[in-house]
Formats: sequence, C-alpha cells, structure tokens
Amino acid sequence: EPEVTQTPSHQVTQMGQEVILRCVPISNHLYFYWYRQILGQKVEFLVSFYNNEISEKSEIFDDQFSVERPDGSNFTLKIRSTKLEDSAMYFCASSESGGAVVTEAFFGQGTRLTVV
Amino acid sequence: GEDVEQSLFLSVREGDSSVINCTYTDSSSTYLYWYKQEPGAGLQLLTYIFSNMDMKQDQRLTVLLNKKDKHLSLRIADTQTGDSAIYFCAAELSGGYNKLIFGAGTRLAVHP
Repeated sequence: EPEVTQTPSHQVTQMGQEVILRCVPISNHLYFYWYRQILGQKVEFLVSFYNNEISEKSEIFDDQFSVERPDGSNFTLKIRSTKLEDSAMYFCASSESGGAVVTEAFFGQGTRLTVV
Repeated sequence: GEDVEQSLFLSVREGDSSVINCTYTDSSSTYLYWYKQEPGAGLQLLTYIFSNMDMKQDQRLTVLLNKKDKHLSLRIADTQTGDSAIYFCAAELSGGYNKLIFGAGTRLAVHP
C-alpha cells in the first residue's frame, strides 16, 4: 500500500539552528500538507501546498517557516531559526485532490523535533 | 475560533462497545473525520461523514452526527485489544482543501 514517508523519525537540534524535515508524499498526489502536534496538545494545521505554491497557511506558519518541493518527489519543511517552542511532532500528509470532494489525506508517521 | 473537543481517555473491556464522543464549533464543516493513531505510527483515516448525513456504518464502526448539537460520535462494536490507540476527531474547516482542525485525541484502552 502506498504511504507517506518522513525522515528523520527523530531530530534533536540546538536553539537557533536551522532544520529541514523531509517527506516523500505518495507519488500521484498533488496536494501536500504539514501539521504539527506539540506534546499533550492538539494536531494543528500549518500549511497546504499545491502546484508549487502555498495554498493556505495558519498563523503558526510565520516567516521562520518555509516549504519547498525541490524535486519531483520530496516535500520539505524548513524552520530557519528554531525555538524551544518548535519542539513537536511534525506530520506530513498528501492527497490526490484538495477540493470540495472529500479525499483521503494520507499522513506520514511523523518527525519528532526536539529543540534544546 | 474553530475548536474540536473530545474526552481524553476511555477504558473498555474486550468485546464491549466503545463510544468516543466529539463536539465541534464550525457549523459549516462539510466533512468530519475519525483518525486512529497507533504508537509510533502516523494518522490513519478510519472513516468520515458528510455533514448532510446522520449516520454512517462501516463494518464495526458506526459514526453518528448530530448537526444541530455539533456532536459527533464513533462507536466501535466488539472492541478488540488491537483497537487500543488514540482516536482523533477532525473537522474540515470552511474552504476545505484538507485543512483540518483536530481534537486532542481520545486514548482508548482495551482490557481483557
């Protein structure tokens, strides 16, 4: 069964450092997403991406965050200068379509980011 | 702002039915979802319901939607130990595009 894969599964970084979280969406999917879950809190929407540009972003997704699809297969989330409060589980997801017709968003297993 | 609330913990005996409840605030949500998360795994879509439906059944899963009260429930019949996981309720925000707002998750523990 096709799946979304994320690497690494766990990343530890020092405050102020840049991190890049990587995701390989399902190959025929066109819409890509990042969500995050701070420990003990809810899963929160960060950003959606389609046709090589951001479709929508939440207020969490400030100038410190960026997303990119550098080639035909990877989808990355970059945090420019990490803060302690960026520590969370980051989930990548992809879907065939993103419009009014419901489509299943497939989620990866997550990358646990720990900022120290 | 939009919010989704669910109880945090549920413990049931194997073979019994489990009912996980959820309330949401965005009355314009078109689709409502239930996701399952097992330890170390991602979020797996279990089922969804369109907002003009009251009920949806899928094998052991029954979803009930009370749109007036903005209340959603997931019933798992004949609960098994393999059903132990965290269950997330999610509402698709107005505008769609898979922008979901999640509840905090209900941890279901199934004991013999």
